[in-house]
Amino acid sequence: SSELTQDPAVSVALGQTVRITCQGDSLRSYYASWYQQKPGQAPVLVIYGKNNRPSGIPDRFSGSSSGNTASLTITGAQAEDEADYYCNSRDSSGNPHVVFGGGTKLTVL
Amino acid sequence: EVQLVESGGGMVQRGGSLRLSCAASGFTFSSYWMSWVRQAPGKGLEWVANIKQDGSEKYYVDSVKGRFTISRDNAKNSLYLQMNSLRAEDTAVYYCATTRGGVNYFDYWGQGTLVTVSS
Repeated sequence: SSELTQDPAVSVALGQTVRITCQGDSLRSYYASWYQQKPGQAPVLVIYGKNNRPSGIPDRFSGSSSGNTASLTITGAQAEDEADYYCNSRDSSGNPHVVFGGGTKLTVL
Repeated sequence: EVQLVESGGGMVQRGGSLRLSCAASGFTFSSYWMSWVRQAPGKGLEWVANIKQDGSEKYYVDSVKGRFTISRDNAKNSLYLQMNSLRAEDTAVYYCATTRGGVNYFDYWGQGTLVTVSS
C-alpha cells in the first residue's frame, strides 16, 4: 500500500494565497483529489483530476502536481475556507485501493 | 439532485455485527463504482471498501479484510456494508460515496452513520 503525507496545520491571512501539499509515491502515477471538510459535515470534493473543480466550487481553488507532490492552492482565502482538507489518490498496488492523506487543518486569520 | 442516505449505525459490543445501508437517488446508481469511507472520532478519512458497478469486483483495506463485506443491489439503488467481528478501532462515522475517475475520487458523499463498538 501507499501513504500520503500532509502537513497537520496551515494558516493564512484573509485574502492571501495558501498552498496545501500532499506527498506520496502513488502521486507519480495517479492524480490527487482534494476534499474540504467542515466540523460535523461530510467531506466535499473540491479538486479532481489534473485540475478540475466540481460545479459550485469557487475558482479560487486550484490543483497542481509535480513528481510525488500534489498541491491545493487557495488564491484569496476567505473566512469560509477554514476547514480540514484531505488529499487522496488510488494507491500504487495495482488494485483499485484508495489512500487518504492525514489531513491539513487550515486556519484563516 | 444526487442523494446518498446511510442508515444502520448504532452501538454494538465488541465481536458483534452490524449492517449498514446506503440508499441512492438522483443518478444512475448502476453506472457507478461505490465506496465506503470511514472517519474515527477526531481522526482523518480512511477508505474501507469499494465495489464495481455490477458487483463483480470488491476491494477492501487490509484492516477489514475477512470481516467486512461490501455489496449492492442495483434494482434497489442500494449499497451495503456487512460488518462482522467488530473491534473498538472500527468505531467511526461511515460514509458511502460515489466513486469516479478510475476509482480515484469520490464526488458525492452521504451524511454518514455512526458506528460505536463498545468493550
